[in-house]
Amino acid sequence: GQQVMQIPQYQHVQEGEDFTTYCNSSTTLSNIQWYKQRPGGHPVFLIQLVKSGEVKKQKRLTFQFGEAKKNSSLHITATQTTDVGTYFCAGLWHTGTASKLTFGTGTRLQVTL
Amino acid sequence: GAGVSQSPRYKVAKRGQDVALRCDPISGHVSLFWYQQALGQGPEFLTYFQNEAQLDKSGLPSDRFFAERPEGSVSTLKIQRTQQEDSAVYLCASSLAHIIGTAYEQYFGPGTRLTVT
Repeated sequence: GQQVMQIPQYQHVQEGEDFTTYCNSSTTLSNIQWYKQRPGGHPVFLIQLVKSGEVKKQKRLTFQFGEAKKNSSLHITATQTTDVGTYFCAGLWHTGTASKLTFGTGTRLQVTL
Repeated sequence: GAGVSQSPRYKVAKRGQDVALRCDPISGHVSLFWYQQALGQGPEFLTYFQNEAQLDKSGLPSDRFFAERPEGSVSTLKIQRTQQEDSAVYLCASSLAHIIGTAYEQYFGPGTRLTVT
């Protein structure tokens, strides 16, 4: 079945440093979504990317969708302790039937002062 | 209600017992999803409803798992004869719609943590 790989699995940064997580699929995606899950919490939607090469920004967060629609990245500038959590990408494939999201393995971000 | 609610929040079951997990989606949301999340992993798709119709159940791990949404609102995930490997957090999510080839953001509930002893 479709799989979405994320790297790194874990990253520990000092507050103020930048952070990037990468998401890769072996096949072309229809679109991709990003979610954040705080420790002990549930996934919360961040953004959806649909177009090839699309770039979207939300304050300190920048999301990119690759030209081939097989990869995506999330970059956080100047991390803060409130950014702590696990970031998941979720890929959608258009299969001709009821499509579903396949979540990546996640990148756990730890931020210390 | 403002968001998706799930009950119970925690459930401890002895191996072999049946359990029922409930999900109340956001009012008016057509689509409802169930996921299983093991510790340190991403949510894994179990099944999907559009209104009362179960359109995809390809992620249900065995015939011990059964889900329903009889009136197109509340949904129940039932696990029969629970096994230790069923221990996980079961997440429910709803979305406004789900058109083939595209997707809308999913709103997740707090989850039910199932522990099978």
